[in-house]
Amino acid sequence: DAKTTQPPSMDCAEGRAANLPCNHSTISGNEYVYWYRQIHSQGPQYIIHGLKNNETNEMASLIITEDRKSSTLILPHATLRDTAVYYCIVRVVIVLSGNTGKLIFGQGTTLQVKP
Amino acid sequence: DTGVSQNPRHKITKRGQNVTFRCDPISEHNRLYWYRQTLGQGPEFLTYFQNEAQLEKSRLLSDRFSAERPKGSFSTLEIQRTEQGDSAMYLCASIYRGVSTDTQYFGPGTRLTVL
Repeated sequence: DAKTTQPPSMDCAEGRAANLPCNHSTISGNEYVYWYRQIHSQGPQYIIHGLKNNETNEMASLIITEDRKSSTLILPHATLRDTAVYYCIVRVVIVLSGNTGKLIFGQGTTLQVKP
Repeated sequence: DTGVSQNPRHKITKRGQNVTFRCDPISEHNRLYWYRQTLGQGPEFLTYFQNEAQLEKSRLLSDRFSAERPKGSFSTLEIQRTEQGDSAMYLCASIYRGVSTDTQYFGPGTRLTVL
């Protein structure tokens, strides 16, 4: 079973920031938080990941709470092309743990960006 | 385009037929994963390879399914005696194990429809 909880759907106005929450209350110290998104009929696309510090890249920002039990993905200026299913996943680091590194997906959050 | 390619992109077959899908991972990526995604659900792990060795198989991978990765390069997933319940998107992902964190990059998927 997925170790994360996300709202099933959210709406966002085009040009506004989209804030997608994720709860991962049972996260372990050696687990990272990963975010992927899947646009209709395409393969999942990597967005960002982090351990405990906030992270930012050209696509998004990831804010992780101090206790690491939840996080928020922020798309600063959502466009219509950001309409997709967003998945929050926790996963151990392969090198340190020697495990498979498989991703366990939940049902994600369907983000609808509206004009 | 992540650099992971899958062929064919779409496959329609009749129940009872055999089908084979191919995945070409990013060059030098030594781990390759197969996932299956049914409508409205997140992807589910099927199996993975470290180079040419198949190291883990999900219980979802019945004896009608077989995967290979000869020479540790491309991989094939074969389904024998297809059933309507096999209709799904089959996704391939690859990573390079050897860095402190690693990110799976997905291909576009092969959509299988069993009539």
